[in-house]
Amino acid sequence: GQQLNQSPQSMFIQEGEDVSMNCTSSSIFNTWLWYKQEPGEGPVLLIALYKAGELTSNGRLTAQFGITRKDSFLNISASIPSDVGIYFCAGHKAGTASKLTFGTGTRLQVTL
Amino acid sequence: DVKVTQSSRYLVKRTGEKVFLECVQDMDHENMFWYRQDPGLGLRLIYFSYDVKMKEKGDIPEGYSVSREKKERFSLILESASTNQTSMYLCASSLGQRYYTFGSGTRLTVV
Repeated sequence: GQQLNQSPQSMFIQEGEDVSMNCTSSSIFNTWLWYKQEPGEGPVLLIALYKAGELTSNGRLTAQFGITRKDSFLNISASIPSDVGIYFCAGHKAGTASKLTFGTGTRLQVTL
Repeated sequence: DVKVTQSSRYLVKRTGEKVFLECVQDMDHENMFWYRQDPGLGLRLIYFSYDVKMKEKGDIPEGYSVSREKKERFSLILESASTNQTSMYLCASSLGQRYYTFGSGTRLTVV
């Protein structure tokens, strides 16, 4: 099945730095979701976006639903060691019966 | 909070065994999903169900079947396990497009 284009694939940053990652598609989506997955665990929902242009925060995390409805980004401010993990975007297209399309993931490593 | 519970975190099964993976959700979601996750391949949809006794094939249904006899429970069945089915299996549920929630996963090893 289709996957969303997510970048970067991996990031190595220092504690305290800000992080930005994004997902793009050639198709229009009507929902964007951002998940974090830690080793050996299932993905945990961080932020859900349901309207074009929507900007939503969850603590140090901020995500936006792109105006074109073909992209979304996630920012993490002032990173800390527990931010380590793989971040996935996911989108829902109309006419796909609640099925999601997933990004390929961004692996985040935070050094002290 | 919605809770999606997968019955086992780790399973080791022999080739040819019939394997059942169970998933239960506690928030009356109509949709339930089974994915497998493999390095470099991301999350791939095996089957999903949008109502009791209803099911649809996902992207990789071969070698799997599912059962949904009650709204809260969605079972994935490997009729005859093979080594290429060694993977992380993730269950999820949703209310329409909303509240899409995953379980903690079952790491299955077939030897």
